[in-house]
Amino acid sequence: SQTIHQWPATLVQPVGSPLSLECTVEGTSNPNLYWYRQAAGRGLQLLFYSVGIGQISSEVPQNLSASRPQDRQFILSSKKLLLSDSGFYLCAWRRGELNTEAFFGQGTRLTVV
Amino acid sequence: AQSVTQLDSHVSVSEGTPVLLRCNYSSSYSPSLFWYVQHPNKGLQLLLKYTSAATLVKGINGFEAEFKKSETSFHLTKPSAHMSDAAEYFCVVSQSGFQKLVFGTGTRLLVSP
Repeated sequence: SQTIHQWPATLVQPVGSPLSLECTVEGTSNPNLYWYRQAAGRGLQLLFYSVGIGQISSEVPQNLSASRPQDRQFILSSKKLLLSDSGFYLCAWRRGELNTEAFFGQGTRLTVV
Repeated sequence: AQSVTQLDSHVSVSEGTPVLLRCNYSSSYSPSLFWYVQHPNKGLQLLLKYTSAATLVKGINGFEAEFKKSETSFHLTKPSAHMSDAAEYFCVVSQSGFQKLVFGTGTRLLVSP
């Protein structure tokens, strides 16, 4: 069966510090991978998605970047965090087929102080 | 472009009474629709999905939803609420051929004893 791992679960970082959140998927190959952010009391905002190694699509211009160095690894990064980067970050994967559902990791609660 | 509207930000019910969470979608083509549930500080779990098969879809934990093309709706229902149903619920649309899922803003379900 497929599983998705996302870490860390919580993170407190000072403004201006770098960020690296990692997500890995097991039990499938060539998944579509996604990073979402959920601000307090709001819905999910798609940040990045990837349909293959090295292929990244950015949805929102911002302080963040994403990379996919391996087929089942997806990394969210920032060189300098802003207060507005605080939120709940979710990684997800889908099969590369039409109309399939997404499977989510447990999320990372990021607080920038 | 596809979109979903969740008509209620909060719904309050008593334990044992029916649940109705409303969702309307906008889509140029035949959509796939999903309902997800999120408990506090957790990832999202798929409740059910519609992918152009039966219009009445049964999901986990006694939930079901009916796809009504004429009304562009995909409302989520449950005959009898349980305390453990208290959570945030998201309606999601995916269009054929598109890699992205579009989320509604969520409905928080409150269940009182």
